[in-house]
Amino acid sequence: AQSVAQPEDQVNVAEGNPLTVKCTYSVSGNPYLFWYVQYPNRGLQFLLKYITGDNLVKGSYGFEAEFNKSQTSFHLKKPSALVSDSALYFCAVREYNTDKLIFGTGTRLQVFP
Amino acid sequence: NAGVTQTPKFQVLKTGQSMTLQCAQDMNHEYMSWYRQDPGMGLRLIHYSVGAGITDQGEVPNGYNVSRSTTEDFPLRLLSAAPSQTSVYFCASSYSTAVNEKLFFGSGTQLSVL
Repeated sequence: AQSVAQPEDQVNVAEGNPLTVKCTYSVSGNPYLFWYVQYPNRGLQFLLKYITGDNLVKGSYGFEAEFNKSQTSFHLKKPSALVSDSALYFCAVREYNTDKLIFGTGTRLQVFP
Repeated sequence: NAGVTQTPKFQVLKTGQSMTLQCAQDMNHEYMSWYRQDPGMGLRLIHYSVGAGITDQGEVPNGYNVSRSTTEDFPLRLLSAAPSQTSVYFCASSYSTAVNEKLFFGSGTQLSVL
């Protein structure tokens, strides 16, 4: 069965510094990977996705993610963090032959001024 | 555009009561789903539907029923509420069931079962 792990409950970073939010996945076939963000008291919003092609995927709000097949990882990155990036971030995975999108447990990103 | 609309936003139930969480989307989306969000557990899929008249179970379906009589609506029914069902519930939809489709989420229903 497909699964995704987010090993860090919280990531703290100073404004202007680069940030990384980690995600690893497990699927039996080709993975389809997504990142979503949740701001306080809101539903989740789509950030970016990896289907095939370039291992570096660019998304909304200056975020990007790097797909690494050998390490089964899909880490979310941003070169320069903003205080407004503080939110809860979810990684999700889907297998080709299923209709289910499975989410990780989430990582809270805190960006300090 | 309304997008995905969930009602109510907040609800308090007593153990054993039943209720229905409403979800409606106005984007003509084929796929709809229900998730629950709990601290430390992330989002877990309860039920989903790939089209009108078709529903299937997710990761945690016990205690919940769904139906999809129209493309627009996907209500979630709690038959006999239990304290373990205290959670935040999100409805989500996508245009199709293709693997690369992104989900659109409602703003959530916060449910407390006493």
